[in-house]
Amino acid sequence: NAGVTQTPKFRVLKTGQSMTLLCAQDMNHEYMYWYRQDPGMGLRLIHYSVGEGTTAKGEVPDGYNVSRLKKQNFLLGLESAAPSQTSVYFCASSPHRSITGDEQYFGPGTRLTVT
Amino acid sequence: SQQGEEDPQALSIQEGENATMNCSYKTSINNLQWYRQNSGRGLVHLILIRSNEREKHSGRLRVTLDTSKKSSSLLITASRAADTASYFCADNAGGTSYGKLTFGQGTILTVHP
Repeated sequence: NAGVTQTPKFRVLKTGQSMTLLCAQDMNHEYMYWYRQDPGMGLRLIHYSVGEGTTAKGEVPDGYNVSRLKKQNFLLGLESAAPSQTSVYFCASSPHRSITGDEQYFGPGTRLTVT
Repeated sequence: SQQGEEDPQALSIQEGENATMNCSYKTSINNLQWYRQNSGRGLVHLILIRSNEREKHSGRLRVTLDTSKKSSSLLITASRAADTASYFCADNAGGTSYGKLTFGQGTILTVHP
């Protein structure tokens, strides 16, 4: 199993450009998440999904959109990139075994720089 | 945001010593989890402790949870150079949280050979 994979690994954008980050998982997990990690701030949740066709806002959703058309894929879009969106983006997935929550499995990350 | 805090922010020890990291959170939880992140890599799940548990072990890892103080600690015994990494705690809030986690800022652990 590949686990959680992310595409691309690195990207440089100019301000105002758009792009889509792709996350794929092969563990048949129900829940998927997008986080951003900035120096000294830990991880912050951008958006999440509790199943195919559903999405919801996390802690820092502004400037991002997401879609989950297939259970195994979770896409994160930046419509008009800003320098404040320079960060490392992590995707994660989680099974839905326990009503009190389960562990998350993380992808390797995408390092995005907006100039 | 109910982001918790971790203490210390950085810890430097010699191989063979024990490392203790602490974490605090702000509201009731379903569970608390610890993750490790090696430089430039994704996070790896280490251990999950549920709100009705007080202590949990996994190999050289020992996690405690004190819900009355809203705090947790991670102990790594007999540390190795390969344990050098950042360690994060993350709390899963009580109620219908859909598994969402709130991460602390992390502790950078350096283990010298």
